[in-house]
Amino acid sequence: GESVGLHLPTLSVQEGDNSIINCAYSNSASDYFIWYKQESGKGPQFIIDIRSNMDKRQGQRVTVLLNKTVKHLSLQIAATQPGDSAVYFCAENGGRVIFGKGTRLHILP
Amino acid sequence: GAGVSQSPSNKVTEKGKDVELRCDPISGHTALYWYRQSLGQGLEFLIYFQGNSAPDKSGLPSDRFSAERTGGSVSTLTIQRTQQEDSAVYLCASSLNTGGETQYFGPGTRLLVL
Repeated sequence: GESVGLHLPTLSVQEGDNSIINCAYSNSASDYFIWYKQESGKGPQFIIDIRSNMDKRQGQRVTVLLNKTVKHLSLQIAATQPGDSAVYFCAENGGRVIFGKGTRLHILP
Repeated sequence: GAGVSQSPSNKVTEKGKDVELRCDPISGHTALYWYRQSLGQGLEFLIYFQGNSAPDKSGLPSDRFSAERTGGSVSTLTIQRTQQEDSAVYLCASSLNTGGETQYFGPGTRLLVL
């Protein structure tokens, strides 16, 4: 299966600053991408998605950028708040959904 | 509205015992996924079901793991002769179909094998 056995990298951000979480995907045929947020003790929750015919999509305080040329996805969180502390996963779908390794976002007071 | 539910929420068992984990997907969702998440790590795909098609079992780590989905709805993940390395959170997700649809996750079952 798609094993993601490494421990998660951590991004520490000052409260109020913007956060940028990056993800490299593997399948050039993937045409749908999703970001999930997983808070401690809970299952992942959908944040925002983007299809391959777009390069940017905005939600409430979140923006996803897609660069198909280099197979790179990013999640930008504006004005980071303590409630944004979580692990963030990207996922790609090119017939099979594959999750990235995840990044832990830590908010500094 | 009803989301994905899983039971039990926590399970403590002894090494060598069998366990069954249950997942109730969102009504009408044809695709159902099982993942395993070890502490502080990412998601490991185990198996998925899509409608009446044969399940994709390619992620199951050993033949001690099996899953079934009855009537296209509820799914049970069974781990036989549990080992300590099976300790993890087992997450279930469902989606409307597998055509690029968002997966909705349950809260997970935390399994501890002593």
